[in-house]
Amino acid sequence: DTGVSQNPRHKITKRGQNVTFRCDPISEHNRLYWYRQTLGQGPEFLTYFQNEAQLEKSRLLSDRFSAERPKGSFSTLEIQRTEQGDSAMYLCASSLGQGGWYSPLHFGNGTRLTVT
Amino acid sequence: QKEVEQDPGPLSVPEGAIVSLNCTYSNSAFQYFMWYRQYSRKGPELLMYTYSSGNKEDGRFTAQVDKSSKYISLFIRDSQPSDSATYLCGGTSGSRLTFGEGTQLTVNP
Repeated sequence: DTGVSQNPRHKITKRGQNVTFRCDPISEHNRLYWYRQTLGQGPEFLTYFQNEAQLEKSRLLSDRFSAERPKGSFSTLEIQRTEQGDSAMYLCASSLGQGGWYSPLHFGNGTRLTVT
Repeated sequence: QKEVEQDPGPLSVPEGAIVSLNCTYSNSAFQYFMWYRQYSRKGPELLMYTYSSGNKEDGRFTAQVDKSSKYISLFIRDSQPSDSATYLCGGTSGSRLTFGEGTQLTVNP
């Protein structure tokens, strides 16, 4: 178990540029989540995948945000035309969903985005 | 109104103290309740989770849930400087985990 891996750890970009983050979940986990955390706040849910299917999206996920999980393995989160308000820590988490049993989320160390 | 309310602190205690961290929630559909610990510049790390009302103990940590009053608590016994972190409570509805804003705890040696 190597844990959830996120890259890059830090990203500084200029307003209006596009950015893409990658998440590699724990290998046997079929569920993958993206959260956003701003300073002094708890993580906020963005979206969730079961295998390759994106099953739920938050209203926080504007049209400028898109997430994919091709082949149900790693996931990418892209933000187009970044705005200063997008500056935050983007956290990825994974879990092993098995029927009705709950499996807790395991988080990566996040990608910190700064939009200048 | 936020689904999970948590006093952000900061909370500062001497080493060895018993720490009590509390949250309230409004979503009656929450089934599982969790506590995560987050060190600076790191992702949240799962401490404990419980299903429905009751207590759960793990070493120096005890989690309590009272669904009738929608109250979640975490107790830390014999607190250590290494416990200094932000503590996040949360509840799950379906596959979605909703967090409070976190309580910043400092344990002074």
